Amino acid sequence: KAGVTQTPRYLIKTRGQQVTLSCSPISGHRSVSWYQQTPGQGLQFLFEYFSETQRNKGNFPGRFSGRQFSNSRSEMNVSTLELGDSALYLCASSLGLVGETQYFGPGTRLLVL
Amino acid sequence: KNQVEQSPQSLIILEGKNCTLQCNYTVSPFSNLRWYKQDTGRGPVSLTIMTFSENTKSNGRYTATLDADTKQSSLHITASQLSDSASYICVPMNTGFQKLVFGTGTRLLVSP
Repeated sequence: KAGVTQTPRYLIKTRGQQVTLSCSPISGHRSVSWYQQTPGQGLQFLFEYFSETQRNKGNFPGRFSGRQFSNSRSEMNVSTLELGDSALYLCASSLGLVGETQYFGPGTRLLVL
Repeated sequence: KNQVEQSPQSLIILEGKNCTLQCNYTVSPFSNLRWYKQDTGRGPVSLTIMTFSENTKSNGRYTATLDADTKQSSLHITASQLSDSASYICVPMNTGFQKLVFGTGTRLLVSP
């Protein structure tokens, strides 16, 4: 069974631009969570989607948004990029039961210049 | 204040040696705790998951312990290998918010 895939793997943008990241979960998984990872901060939870609905949300500004499609694939969008948005963005998928193991993708490394 | 404190921040050990990583957390209410291994440039991979009623769980050379009363967990690595070089992240679950709370990790380097 294929693992979680994320595209693109690397991305360079400039301040003020917007970016869309994509995540394809493991087949059969209905939950997709997004995380931001920066050095010294650890993983910060962005939001979780389950069956096309946002089920949980972290403490990030409205510039960060997401959506999930009927095939469980998910996209994350960041508008008006700031230098501090440079990070590794990880998505994780699971069947959707609370507390079960999440499986992470390799991440998208975003650099904002 | 961080809800999860891991120590040490970084560690270098010789191949074949054992080591123990510590995790103190204040997450409450708490239901379970995971340890993840993250290789450089890759996403985290789950090593163990323990509920609040479990004291220890092993996965090969990795053994995690949990003391829910003192809110402490440890990850013991036996007979370390070069491939154990990675960051190890402690992740308790906040049952109230149904959220995972990630520690900043311990960066382990196993030297030949």
